[in-house]
Amino acid sequence: DSGVTQTPKHLITATGQRVTLRCSPRSGDLSVYWYQQSLDQGLQFLIQYYNGEERAKGNILERFSAQQFPDLHSELNLSSLELGDSALYFCASSVGGAVDNEQFFGPGTRLTVL
Amino acid sequence: AQTVTQSQPEMSVQEAETVTLSCTYDTSESDYYLFWYKQPPSRQMILVIRQEAYKQQNATENRFSVNFQKAAKSFSLKISDSQLGDAAMYFCAYWWGGSEKLVFGKGTKLTVNP
Repeated sequence: DSGVTQTPKHLITATGQRVTLRCSPRSGDLSVYWYQQSLDQGLQFLIQYYNGEERAKGNILERFSAQQFPDLHSELNLSSLELGDSALYFCASSVGGAVDNEQFFGPGTRLTVL
Repeated sequence: AQTVTQSQPEMSVQEAETVTLSCTYDTSESDYYLFWYKQPPSRQMILVIRQEAYKQQNATENRFSVNFQKAAKSFSLKISDSQLGDAAMYFCAYWWGGSEKLVFGKGTKLTVNP
C-alpha cells in the first residue's frame, strides 16, 4: 500500500458524460500527478500540481481538467467523454516537485466509457 | 521529442535464473533521470530502480541492477535470482528537467516460470 488513495476504483459511464476522479496523496506529500494508461497510448503523464498550483502539463486534452485543493487532495474532471477515454487513470504523489522525490502511485481508477 | 523504446513486449524466465529487460531512449539532453517501474497484476506502479545520467556507476537495488550505457542511450534492467513475485509489467521511464514529466516506454511483460 503506497498511501495514495483513489476513488472510485471502477467507473462505467456513457459517451458524452462527465466524471470526476479523486485522489488523496500520502500524508505530507505536496505534489500530485495524474497519468492515463490505455492499451494504445501506453502510460502518459497528464498533469502535475504542487501545493495547489499547476506545475507541469503533459498530454492532457482540453476536455480534461484538474485541480488540487487546500487539503492537497486532487480531482481530475473528464467531460464530453468518448470511447477512447476508457483507460486506467493513476494518481501519484511525492514530497516535492523534483524528480528526485520518488513518486508513489495509487491503485488507479478504471474508467469504462460505453 | 524524447522517446523511450522497449523492444521486448514479453519476456519469460525460469525461477532463480537471471533475465535482462531492454530499454533505449532518445534525447539530446545531458542531464536526465531514468527509471524502471514494476506493475504487478494489482496494477499498482512501483519504483524498482533509478539512475541519474551524470552518475557513471550503475544503480543496484538488491536483485535488481541496471546497465546504463549513456553514449548508446541504453538502460537495461537485470533481475537476478528471479522470483515468482517478479512477474509483472516493467516500464522504463525517462525524465529531464526541461519538461518535468515522466515519459514511459510501452512496457515489457515478464513471466516467471516455476
